[in-house]
Amino acid sequence: SQQGEEDPQALSIQEGENATMNCSYKTSINNLQWYRQNSGRGLVHLILIRSNEREKHSGRLRVTLDTSKKSSSLLITASRAADTASYFCATYNNNDMRFGAGTRLTVKP
Amino acid sequence: SQTIHQWPATLVQPVGSPLSLECTVEGTSNPNLYWYRQAAGRGLQLLFYSVGIGQISSEVPQNLSASRPQDRQFILSSKKLLLSDSGFYLCAWSSQNDQPQHFGDGTRLSIL
Repeated sequence: SQQGEEDPQALSIQEGENATMNCSYKTSINNLQWYRQNSGRGLVHLILIRSNEREKHSGRLRVTLDTSKKSSSLLITASRAADTASYFCATYNNNDMRFGAGTRLTVKP
Repeated sequence: SQTIHQWPATLVQPVGSPLSLECTVEGTSNPNLYWYRQAAGRGLQLLFYSVGIGQISSEVPQNLSASRPQDRQFILSSKKLLLSDSGFYLCAWSSQNDQPQHFGDGTRLSIL
């Protein structure tokens, strides 16, 4: 069963705009991870944020975690056409990792 | 550096035929290994995971099985494929349960 639920299911923006994707979950977690999947390929890990962390950055990516609201967000700044992909959150708790259904991001040139 | 190889990339099989998908990892030892299935436009469903040679845990009862004959080799099998087995199968490894998983490029399986 899936733990995280991404919102929105699909997002279409213009190149240069920021993209924000959200992930909500239901139970406590040890960490939350974000992955990216290009069409027809495997997933690629982007960022891991632990339950005691509130924010992490990696290049143009910014992830926040609010454990009181059981939610996380992934912000991609200054988006590029190459950022077009599906983005998944995965929650980890007690030897159990669960992936959400993903947000499909389309960045138009 | 570590790499993961998964093959074949695509496979078309008739209903009732057997299946063997192979996944190997290089550059690391004693990895955790995972098999997932992904339906079109959906998230990942964990099928099997393994923490060591011969140790397989099944998440979903079905006509698929998995084996780990060597430390860095993970095989997904079926004796008789069903139409519902169609999908995108992904193999992944991680150094520990709570660490990032690293995925192969997947096998697109179509059952006719």
